[in-house]
Amino acid sequence: GQNIDQPTEMTATEGAIVQINCTYQTSGFNGLFWYQQHAGEAPTFLSYNVLDGLEEKGRFSSFLSRSKGYSYLLLKELQMKDSASYLCAVYNQGGKLIFGQGTELSVKP
Amino acid sequence: DGGITQSPKYLFRKEGQNVTLSCEQNLNHDAMYWYRQDPGQGLRLIYYSQIVNDFQKGDIAEGYSVSREKKESFPLTVTSAQKNPTAFYLCASSGLRVVEAFFGQGTRLTVV
Repeated sequence: GQNIDQPTEMTATEGAIVQINCTYQTSGFNGLFWYQQHAGEAPTFLSYNVLDGLEEKGRFSSFLSRSKGYSYLLLKELQMKDSASYLCAVYNQGGKLIFGQGTELSVKP
Repeated sequence: DGGITQSPKYLFRKEGQNVTLSCEQNLNHDAMYWYRQDPGQGLRLIYYSQIVNDFQKGDIAEGYSVSREKKESFPLTVTSAQKNPTAFYLCASSGLRVVEAFFGQGTRLTVV
């Protein structure tokens, strides 16, 4: 079967660091994506991991462990505008791009 | 400018009518996808296509149909057999070497 799990919601304080976890079980693996989605809008691309390790891009970093079926998205120096839904997605060997249910992040002053 | 376009942004239909949602891309991408999103939920895969004239069912294909006659276009028809069609529909595309999937702005379908 195929399954992607993320926490439903998280709350953090402006200026802090937050880590959003994602675990997956899929038929084959060809890469993992993180997207940000504001309410009523299309998702926007944040990161892509296909090899184990950490990818850093400004305030955002994403980590992957293929052997554990685990990834996390790390957001540093949180800003109010980071309040959004964060979606983890896996591209499997069959060509399917499958999304988790998303993590709703609320950033408070 | 290259991109992926969905039209219209808002669509209203009466129950029992079929409706077709448009998705066009000029990114020369081979793969295209259709997703459905309900309030507070993630994206669920309806159909996807890796090449022209070929497509596969996703996780919730019942009540939907697609075609892929051209590389640039991947229209989705929501048929009267879809029991709860009101939702936000998103189309995406990617190259064969998938390092990013680009999304259209979405179509919000309301069936009354």
